[in-house]
Amino acid sequence: DTGVSQDPRHKITKRGQNVTFRCDPISEHNRLYWYRQTLGQGPEFLTYFQNEAQLEKSRLLSDRFSAERPKGSFSTLEIQRTEQGDSAMYLCASSSWTSGNDEQFFGPGTRLTVL
Amino acid sequence: QQQVKQSPQSLIVQKGGISIINCAYENTAFDYFPWYQQFPGKGPALLIAIRPDVSEKKEGRFTISFNKSAKQFSLHIMDSQPGDSATYFCAAPGGSQGNLIFGKGTKLSVKP
Repeated sequence: DTGVSQDPRHKITKRGQNVTFRCDPISEHNRLYWYRQTLGQGPEFLTYFQNEAQLEKSRLLSDRFSAERPKGSFSTLEIQRTEQGDSAMYLCASSSWTSGNDEQFFGPGTRLTVL
Repeated sequence: QQQVKQSPQSLIVQKGGISIINCAYENTAFDYFPWYQQFPGKGPALLIAIRPDVSEKKEGRFTISFNKSAKQFSLHIMDSQPGDSATYFCAAPGGSQGNLIFGKGTKLSVKP
């Protein structure tokens, strides 16, 4: 049983560049979540998918952010025109959601540094 | 917007002691309250979770106590070990669809 995997683990970019992260959930998990975590804070919800449908987006997800899960399996999170404030750990989680049961399992995260 | 308040911010415990971390939430569409453990540079790992058809759940040295009327729940770590030194996060459902709202975390240090 493999857990949630994320790629890359670290990304350093210059302000204004675009970056894309990938998340591979636990197989057969129908839900996939993206969170952002800054130093000393808990994860903050960004968006989630049930299968290929993006069902909710946080107000934290500005127009520069876009997420996809085209075949209901892996997901990508793209940040366009990166800003220094985007520097954070981007976490992906997956779950096999049923009503009232949502055990979310997190990946190791992608650490983004915007210079 | 749901808020989860977690305390204390940091905690130092002697090896063998009991670590207690508290959380309070405002409202929730359904009852599911997990605790996560996070080591530096790693993603959060699900530690234990409770659905409050019970007021307490125990798994090994870890126990969640839940007080629905007070909208509070706590994590107790019995016989704390240096390997338990990590940051612990409580969470509560943020809406009807299951995204989690996390507390700000408690950094636990267990001294040998």
